Amino acid sequence: DGGITQSPKYLFRKEGQNVTLSCEQNLNHDAMYWYRQDPGQGLRLIYYSQIVNDFQKGDIAEGYSVSREKKESFPLTVTSAQKNPTAFYLCASSMGGRISTDTQYFGPGTRLTVL
Amino acid sequence: GQSLEQPSEVTAVEGAIVQMNCTYQTSGFYGLSWYQQHDGGAPTFLSYNALDGLEETGRFSSFLSRSDSYGYLLLQELQMKDSASYFCAVSPNRDDKIIFGKGTRLHILP
Repeated sequence: DGGITQSPKYLFRKEGQNVTLSCEQNLNHDAMYWYRQDPGQGLRLIYYSQIVNDFQKGDIAEGYSVSREKKESFPLTVTSAQKNPTAFYLCASSMGGRISTDTQYFGPGTRLTVL
Repeated sequence: GQSLEQPSEVTAVEGAIVQMNCTYQTSGFYGLSWYQQHDGGAPTFLSYNALDGLEETGRFSSFLSRSDSYGYLLLQELQMKDSASYFCAVSPNRDDKIIFGKGTRLHILP
């Protein structure tokens, strides 16, 4: 089955520690995205990548970093510089022909809690 | 700036029809999408409108009026499983990322 996987579903970390969230897709999609969702809020874009070895900042990139070394993988690192990292993190992918009109396919999400 | 407005909550009765609105103010407009998200789950795509008018997919319909910067999602024959949050998303221009609204939480009463 094709899809997007994120692991783990729940993640706990101590304040001041960096943590990396994984996102893998086997849909052969070119574009991948990371969103943050807070309670009662919409999806805010952290970073996105339209092609391997290239990525762009979204609306709330501060305190986060990404890499796109492989087409299938787009890991997100939440650094200690992120002031309020506790949130639900969603990864998505799309075919990438045109990101403005592509349907985005989402992973199940990782709920990060920083203690 | 770019903004999308959606009512935070809507309540409807099982079997009825509900309309959820979305108004947008963006630097440009290339299309309006709708996504559904159940509690704790992943958003899933429902529909996309690039031109004015109504698009129908089963019990779901989506409408767009570009002159009014307005769209809505219409759900018919409501079922309890339709209880979820519904997000509209706008593409401001041809080659840029989409922007999501804060979503409308749909409550369905038996």
